[in-house]
Amino acid sequence: NAGVTQTPKFQVLKTGQSMTLQCAQDMNHEYMSWYRQDPGMGLRLIHYSVGAGITDQGEVPNGYNVSRSTTEDFPLRLLSAAPSQTSVYFCASSRSRGASGYTFGSGTRLTVV
Amino acid sequence: DAKTTQPNSMESNEEEPVHLPCNHSTISGTDYIHWYRQLPSQGPEYVIHGLTSNVNNRMASLAIAEDRKSSTLILHRATLRDAAVYYCILRANAGGTSYGKLTFGQGTILTVHP
Repeated sequence: NAGVTQTPKFQVLKTGQSMTLQCAQDMNHEYMSWYRQDPGMGLRLIHYSVGAGITDQGEVPNGYNVSRSTTEDFPLRLLSAAPSQTSVYFCASSRSRGASGYTFGSGTRLTVV
Repeated sequence: DAKTTQPNSMESNEEEPVHLPCNHSTISGTDYIHWYRQLPSQGPEYVIHGLTSNVNNRMASLAIAEDRKSSTLILHRATLRDAAVYYCILRANAGGTSYGKLTFGQGTILTVHP
């Protein structure tokens, strides 16, 4: 099993550009989430999904869009990149109940100049 | 979301046991206690979880207080590879869509000395 796959691993954007961070999992997990981690900080939840077609906002959703058309994929879209969005982004997935641990991807390091 | 409180940092010597505490006084009856760790420059890694009873796996043990208001992650013999940030997180098992959420605090930075 590949687990949770994030692409790209590194990306540099110019202010105002848009892009999509990809996240795919092959474990048939219902839950998927996106987090960002700024230097020296903990992880903050951006958006999450409890299944195909269902998404909800986390702590820091502004400037990001998500959709969940399939169980496997949960892309994160940056609409108009800003330097404040420079961060490491992690995608994670889990089975539906609290008794399940999350599996995290290896992260995408994004720099906005 | 129910909050957890952990010490900012702890230190240990290699091959000694480490007890990482976590307080969660507002835990609800359906919340699971999860522990994750994050090694430098890596994504978080699931360690262990529990509800009421103590739990053991190949990585660690989880001791849960009888009133569930606190828990302790136990690394039986710390190695240099265990140096990481350890997060104690409550994950709800009920309550609409919110039980999908995993909210991270600042965690405990564990330093292991050779």
